[in-house]
Amino acid sequence: QSALTQPPSASGSPGQSVTISCTGTSSDVGGYDYVSWYQQHPGKAPKLMIYDVGKRPSGVPDRFSGSKSGNTASLTVSGLQAEDEADYYCSSYGGSNNLKFGGGTKLTVL
Amino acid sequence: EVQLLESGGGLVQPGGSLRLSCAASGFTFSSYAMSLVRQAPGRGLEWVSTISGSGATTYYTDSVKGRFTISRDNSKSTLYLQMNNLRADDTAVYYCAKRADSTGYWFTLDYWGQGTLVTVSS
Repeated sequence: QSALTQPPSASGSPGQSVTISCTGTSSDVGGYDYVSWYQQHPGKAPKLMIYDVGKRPSGVPDRFSGSKSGNTASLTVSGLQAEDEADYYCSSYGGSNNLKFGGGTKLTVL
Repeated sequence: EVQLLESGGGLVQPGGSLRLSCAASGFTFSSYAMSLVRQAPGRGLEWVSTISGSGATTYYTDSVKGRFTISRDNSKSTLYLQMNNLRADDTAVYYCAKRADSTGYWFTLDYWGQGTLVTVSS
């Protein structure tokens, strides 16, 4: 049950766009359109930002978008704002009633 | 307003046991699968276990099978995790989380509690 692979860090200046990748296999990310992204500020609980690859829950700004190509999913944050600085985790259904998370990416707004 | 409040964490010796609770409010508890996700200090998220709304179906990650038991009391809107034979690598903040309204799938989690810290150490 290997974790999904995310870059440990990403950064961008206010107003810019940044993309965070999440790489799995054909048994998880590539096999299902069930990728989610969570935002976690220090000491806080995770917050659902994207589900089913590219859908946004109510209340999540449309600056956040998700996509997938093959075994790699991506989260793009456009028009970066200071409050976007946080850790981001991807998750994917892994088949056989298993849920996998990525190792997390620390997004820094410069 | 959805609220999830975990309790029961603490310091326990290797081989010991602990029972976590997650009190839920603000939604029809019995209608939703509930999950537990943990986060070791300074590390990423790891799914631990899930239970269906009725309690009839449970899932576990391999590393806790045979040691942890998830259960729920729908009359009390409370989720439980009984943890036995604890190991040092079980040390983590344990979050309970609710299945998202926007999907019918247990693996999308829209509300999370604030977590309870479990420390396994001698």
